[in-house]
Amino acid sequence: GEEVAQTPKHLVRGEGQKAKLYCAPIKGHSYVFWYQQVLKNEFKFLISFQNENVFDETGMPKERFSAKCLPNSPCSLEIQATKLEDSAVYFCASSQSREQGYTFGSGTRLTVV
Amino acid sequence: KNEVEQSPQNLTAQEGEFITINCSYSVGISALHWLQQHPGGGIVSLFMLSSGKKKHGRLIATINIQEKHSSLHITASHPRDSAVYICAVSWNRDDKIIFGKGTRLHILP
Repeated sequence: GEEVAQTPKHLVRGEGQKAKLYCAPIKGHSYVFWYQQVLKNEFKFLISFQNENVFDETGMPKERFSAKCLPNSPCSLEIQATKLEDSAVYFCASSQSREQGYTFGSGTRLTVV
Repeated sequence: KNEVEQSPQNLTAQEGEFITINCSYSVGISALHWLQQHPGGGIVSLFMLSSGKKKHGRLIATINIQEKHSSLHITASHPRDSAVYICAVSWNRDDKIIFGKGTRLHILP
């Protein structure tokens, strides 16, 4: 399809529980990016993929966050043992190539209580 | 470290006014992006530019590479233009976007 599909739209987890977010990039887009929006206008880069390979993971809190993009499956972002500060909107974006713009998904709002 | 600065932070204008939002950055980039985030939270990519000027409908984006500055203009503004406009930059070497803090625009009918 022509949209980046993120699921679920909302996710509530108790502190310490696991959270798993999904992103289906636009078909044919090789690059996938995950961003965390904590405050209204504060975006933090988490990780990017080129196809199923990690391209840049410098933004990932390694101890609890992991992500995958496997062939023929939506990409996923998993948070083990969620903390209150993980509450944020997580956006996925995909891009066809380095010269193209990005298409963003509608985000998943994670609330850790 | 690249900083992306936007001004103004907040802007309220009357319907029909010409709107300008400014963005400056501190180091060389490969592309500059203008994004729109609506109150519902969704993000729309408006422009990606590396030089010159682009126009789409009532929106115009310009970039001056030498001055490390870009502007987003909205002509004949309308209440439906009310949103947060975000300037972001990227580099070819790693492609991740660094976001500015956004400009909250409110157009009054």
